[in-house]
Amino acid sequence: GAGVSQSPSNKVTEKGKDVELRCDPISGHTALYWYRQRLGQGLEFLIYFQGNSAPDKSGLPSDRFSAERTGESVSTLTIQRTQQEDSAVYLCASSTYQGYYGYTFGSGTRLTVV
Amino acid sequence: GENVEQHPSTLSVQEGDSAVIKCTYSDSASNYFPWYKQELGKRPQLIIDIRSNVGEKKDQRIAVTLNKTAKHFSLHITETQPEDSAVYFCAASTFTGGYNKLIFGAGTRLAVHP
Repeated sequence: GAGVSQSPSNKVTEKGKDVELRCDPISGHTALYWYRQRLGQGLEFLIYFQGNSAPDKSGLPSDRFSAERTGESVSTLTIQRTQQEDSAVYLCASSTYQGYYGYTFGSGTRLTVV
Repeated sequence: GENVEQHPSTLSVQEGDSAVIKCTYSDSASNYFPWYKQELGKRPQLIIDIRSNVGEKKDQRIAVTLNKTAKHFSLHITETQPEDSAVYFCAASTFTGGYNKLIFGAGTRLAVHP
């Protein structure tokens, strides 16, 4: 596609429910990254994919967070048993050549846990 | 791991003035330093980047300088305009292990007043 697409753009969920956030990277971009941005704060690294493998999961905050990627295409970030502190904008980025030329970000999914 | 500090957190200038945002990083192996601009409710967009083999880079009204010895880099915006108002993020990364993992500063909210 022309850019990085994320869906849904907004998600309101009840505490304790599971949510899935989707990222569709730019075609041909082998590297995919997930970041979390809490209100008024910086971007916090969550996980990196190269193809469908995740060599760096060091930023996932707890075992309630997991992510998958299908080949060099769509990625899904799953948050189980959501908590209020999970409320944030979840940003996905993709890049060619493993990020050497910088990232292109999607518009993000704004998650609100009530 | 890498840690990036960014100052100031907020910056207010008059239209036409210059604005300078500074960042320091901790990992001397870091070799790639991008700057992103994020307008309210929108995705972060890459505006300029610099690699460690270069001391300065300019693109029209924006420039970035890098001091590897002191481990700091700065964004300079000249002749500021109201449309420059946004949150600016610096980042640093090391291209090792086959990929760039960007670590971001906390952001600077720039307000340009007409």
